[in-house]
Amino acid sequence: NAGVMQNPRHLVRRRGQEARLRCSPMKGHSHVYWYRQLPEEGLKFMVYLQKENIIDESGMPKERFSAEFPKEGPSILRIQQVVRGDSAAYFCASSHDAHLLNTGELFFGEGSRLTVL
Amino acid sequence: AQKVTQAQTEISVVEKEDVTLDCVYETRDTTYYLFWYKQPPSGELVFLIRRNSFDEQNEISGRYSWNFQKSTSSFNFTITASQVVDSAVYFCARGSNNQGGKLIFGQGTELSVKP
Repeated sequence: NAGVMQNPRHLVRRRGQEARLRCSPMKGHSHVYWYRQLPEEGLKFMVYLQKENIIDESGMPKERFSAEFPKEGPSILRIQQVVRGDSAAYFCASSHDAHLLNTGELFFGEGSRLTVL
Repeated sequence: AQKVTQAQTEISVVEKEDVTLDCVYETRDTTYYLFWYKQPPSGELVFLIRRNSFDEQNEISGRYSWNFQKSTSSFNFTITASQVVDSAVYFCARGSNNQGGKLIFGQGTELSVKP
């Protein structure tokens, strides 16, 4: 039973390029969350998605960032025209249920580390 | 904002010492849950514990123990007889029943255990 899979684990981009980060949730999980960890900081919530729907994007920067979770395939976090300040670790988490008190489980992937040159 | 505060930025101990990592949270929710995660140098997030707000029973798991005090809004984490492999950044986080996996994380405490 594979865990939350993220790829690539490491991504290097030059300023102005696009970055695409992928997240495959655990089997049977339909709720996906993206978090960003800037250097030497804690994780900050970005976006919460269910299949084909964005539920909460209150933590997403208004420009250049977008996320999707299509009916088939992984969730994708897309950063257009990257800048140096986008350099961070991006973590994906998944859960079976929206209400963690019912299931208690929120599983994180190993993260994707984006470096912008 | 309803914050999670880990006042200790860095802690350094010698192997076999006991160490307590503090976590204080703010919330207006009556039902919520608290997490501790470990982030070793390799960078992944390792789940350690989840505690529901209605369960104040303290928990022990091997060398790890957690003290949940609702009256002081604290959820402290103690490692007994620390080992070098415990060296990592530890994060405390809070979630709410109506917000699924949208957690608020503390800034983290970097624990260094020296031989």
